Amino acid sequence: DSGVTQTPKHLITATGQRVTLRCSPRSGDLSVYWYQQSLDQGLQFLIQYYNGEERAKGNILERFSAQQFPDLHSELNLSSLELGDSALYFCASSVDTGTTEAFFGQGTRLTVV
Amino acid sequence: DQQVKQNSPSLSVQEGRISILNCDYTNSMFDYFLWYKKYPAEGPTFLISISSIKDKNEDGRFTVFLNKSAKHLSLHIVPSQPGDSAVYFCAAKRSNAGNMLTFGGGTRLMVKP
Repeated sequence: DSGVTQTPKHLITATGQRVTLRCSPRSGDLSVYWYQQSLDQGLQFLIQYYNGEERAKGNILERFSAQQFPDLHSELNLSSLELGDSALYFCASSVDTGTTEAFFGQGTRLTVV
Repeated sequence: DQQVKQNSPSLSVQEGRISILNCDYTNSMFDYFLWYKKYPAEGPTFLISISSIKDKNEDGRFTVFLNKSAKHLSLHIVPSQPGDSAVYFCAAKRSNAGNMLTFGGGTRLMVKP
């Protein structure tokens, strides 16, 4: 158990809909990262938050957004969903933004039908 | 443009023998490298890391070697055990640019009893 909790584990929704994925980082970790793992793209970095502020952005679509709340949990919002958004979405956390390893949650499997 | 590549999608090894997983990178700005192991239905688990100022780091049965001039790193597992069967991801980052990881596509290791 990495200590990073993601909910829900599975999500099935229709095209055009909006979903919210939730992540609780390990106790004491200030940084949260979101990654997407799709079949053809591997693990891709989406966005990072550090202590409530956006720190880095990767290949995140404009239809996607995230935030980190004062209690440090984070949410990833995916809207106007398309079939191609079907993927595993992982949240990871680390103590800071420097040379420390990130610990991953079990992921949320999103299926868009 | 894949900045981190794992050219072998799969590797099969006999129990007790050495497993060698390879990874190449193109971005010379990467200065920290990590290996993650992933079992089905779980998130990636941190295994071992190496800073670019070193050429070797060892942790029990796992050793990571870094060849900066060749932009190549490898993970050695000795001796291999059936429980090591998983997908192994190589990842790289720039420690002065947040903590976001660029992942390779993964290598599926199968250790046969």
